[in-house]
Amino acid sequence: DSGVTQTPKHLITATGQRVTLRCSPRSGDLSVYWYQQSLDQGLQFLIQYYNGEERAKGNILERFSAQQFPDLHSELNLSSLELGDSALYFCASSVGTGASSSPLHFGNGTRLTVT
Amino acid sequence: AQSVTQLGSHVSVSEGALVLLRCNYSSSVPPYLFWYVQYPNQGLQLLLKYTTGATLVKGINGFEAEFKKSETSFHLTKPSAHMSDAAEYFCAVSDANAGNNRKLIWGLGTSLAVNP
Repeated sequence: DSGVTQTPKHLITATGQRVTLRCSPRSGDLSVYWYQQSLDQGLQFLIQYYNGEERAKGNILERFSAQQFPDLHSELNLSSLELGDSALYFCASSVGTGASSSPLHFGNGTRLTVT
Repeated sequence: AQSVTQLGSHVSVSEGALVLLRCNYSSSVPPYLFWYVQYPNQGLQLLLKYTTGATLVKGINGFEAEFKKSETSFHLTKPSAHMSDAAEYFCAVSDANAGNNRKLIWGLGTSLAVNP
């Protein structure tokens, strides 16, 4: 058990809809990262938050947004969904931001299916 | 720009045989290198990492990897495969100068099957 909790585990929705994915980081971790995993593109970094503030952006679409709340949980909002958004979305957390100082702890992911 | 290539998207070994998963990277700066494992229906977890110092790194579950700068490789090995090793393995590289997880570049993964 990584200590990172993601809800829901599965989500099925229609094109054009909007969904919210939730992540609770491991206790004591200040950084939250969102990743998208698909068969054709592998693991893609979307965005990172550290202690409530956006720290880095990766390949995140404008239709997607995220935030980290004062209690450090994070939400990823996906809007105007397209079939291609179907993927496994992972949240990860770490104590800090240094790659050498703290590993990433991953949740079990949310599987999003857009029909 | 940094990149990671994992040779072989699927590897199959017999139980008790040597496991060798290949990872080559491209980086213009000193890299930090990582191997993560993903078991079915789970998130990724860190197997081992190389940052500085000894080039042979030991990780969990009997895995180890060796950083070879001249070959730009960070291959993952285990002397004797166990059925429980069946999983997806990901190699990743980070810019050591930046030192930030957010700059992790991931390989596409290698699926390891272990046959009885």
